[in-house]
Amino acid sequence: GENVEQHPSTLSVQEGDSAVIKCTYSDSASNYFPWYKQELGKRPQLIIDIRSNVGEKKDQRIAVTLNKTAKHFSLHITETQPEDSAVYFCAAIPGGTGFQKLVFGTGTRLLVSP
Amino acid sequence: DSGVTQTPKHLITATGQRVTLRCSPRSGDLSVYWYQQSLDQGLQFLIQYYNGEERAKGNILERFSAQQFPDLHSELNLSSLELGDSALYFCASTYGTGGNSPLHFGNGTRLTVT
Repeated sequence: GENVEQHPSTLSVQEGDSAVIKCTYSDSASNYFPWYKQELGKRPQLIIDIRSNVGEKKDQRIAVTLNKTAKHFSLHITETQPEDSAVYFCAAIPGGTGFQKLVFGTGTRLLVSP
Repeated sequence: DSGVTQTPKHLITATGQRVTLRCSPRSGDLSVYWYQQSLDQGLQFLIQYYNGEERAKGNILERFSAQQFPDLHSELNLSSLELGDSALYFCASTYGTGGNSPLHFGNGTRLTVT
């Protein structure tokens, strides 16, 4: 089955710096890659997603890139702010399946210091 | 607000007891998913329902069961509770069964078993 690895497990940056979180997946048939932000004790919130027919997607300060050949995708946050502090999860869905097969990474705890 | 409603927000009970967690999906969504998140852990898929029918099972214990009613709300029943069942339980919904529409999470029910 699909396996998603996520690095780093923790990331500390200064306000205004950029943050990059990387994930690799094992199933070459995976075709949907969402990213979720989870604040302490709260629900995971979808912040951006990308499908396998696209190499990059941006939404204001957040971007995701996908390299299908290398089977990895990354989340880029620019001009970080203290409110970006949270745990970020990447995920992947194997092709031809649905969210019952959604596999999450282990999460990255991002801390943005003022 | 994701539009997915979960009740109760918090639940404290003793070992051996039985509890019911309730979820109302977003308006128009037919699929409901249940996830378990233990302390500092990722999200583990438990079970999926689509339009009243069970569609997929994940790492769900035999002591746990769920159902989806004609009005599409879902209940997760946890019985013979153990200390290790303490966790955040999230419900999520989406329109179909595939990965073509985003998955939206409710705010979760925090279960504490003492």
